[in-house]
Amino acid sequence: DVKVTQSSRYLVKRTGEKVFLECVQDMDHENMFWYRQDPGLGLRLIYFSYDVKMKEKGDIPEGYSVSREKKERFSLILESASTNQTSMYLCASSLDSRSYEQYFGPGTRLTVT
Amino acid sequence: AQRVTQPEKLLSVFKGAPVELKCNYSYSGSPELFWYVQYSRQRLQLLLRHISRESIKGFTADLNKGETSFHLKKPFAQEEDSAMYYCALRNQAGTALIFGKGTTLSVSS
Repeated sequence: DVKVTQSSRYLVKRTGEKVFLECVQDMDHENMFWYRQDPGLGLRLIYFSYDVKMKEKGDIPEGYSVSREKKERFSLILESASTNQTSMYLCASSLDSRSYEQYFGPGTRLTVT
Repeated sequence: AQRVTQPEKLLSVFKGAPVELKCNYSYSGSPELFWYVQYSRQRLQLLLRHISRESIKGFTADLNKGETSFHLKKPFAQEEDSAMYYCALRNQAGTALIFGKGTTLSVSS
């Protein structure tokens, strides 16, 4: 069974803080993704990675950066958190680029005050 | 442009009634389409994909290239079908999925 875990279920941060969201998968998947999920806007892709140290911008990368130093771990970084980054953040992984199925983590509900 | 449109934010039906969740897409070439589902307090998960042409939990979805649609259907809704449903399209580069805005299905008795 594929397991994707995220470091926190709930997080509250102050405006201007640097925020790290961690995601770990245990199935040796090549691809990892970060989305944000907002009511009425659906899932929007922030960044994805298809290999260690490789990253690609998604649809809404502004205000975010990512890090993938190890295959199993993909970190999302908010350099200076803002209130409009309050959201549910979902991490996902897939075996490789040919794979059709993405496996999702439980999500991190981030509130920026 | 690659795009997925789910026109309904909320669909409310009674138990036993037929369900159709609408999905339209914009894509050049042969699309790969999927339905993902998120039950309350559970993870988002794949429900079905158009290539497999299978029925999962009684749901089916047929790709209609002429109408650029991939609607999700079930003949008799159950209360446990209540969830958020997302239609998704693999992007042209084949590297990621483009999700629609989602439709909340509410089935009541």
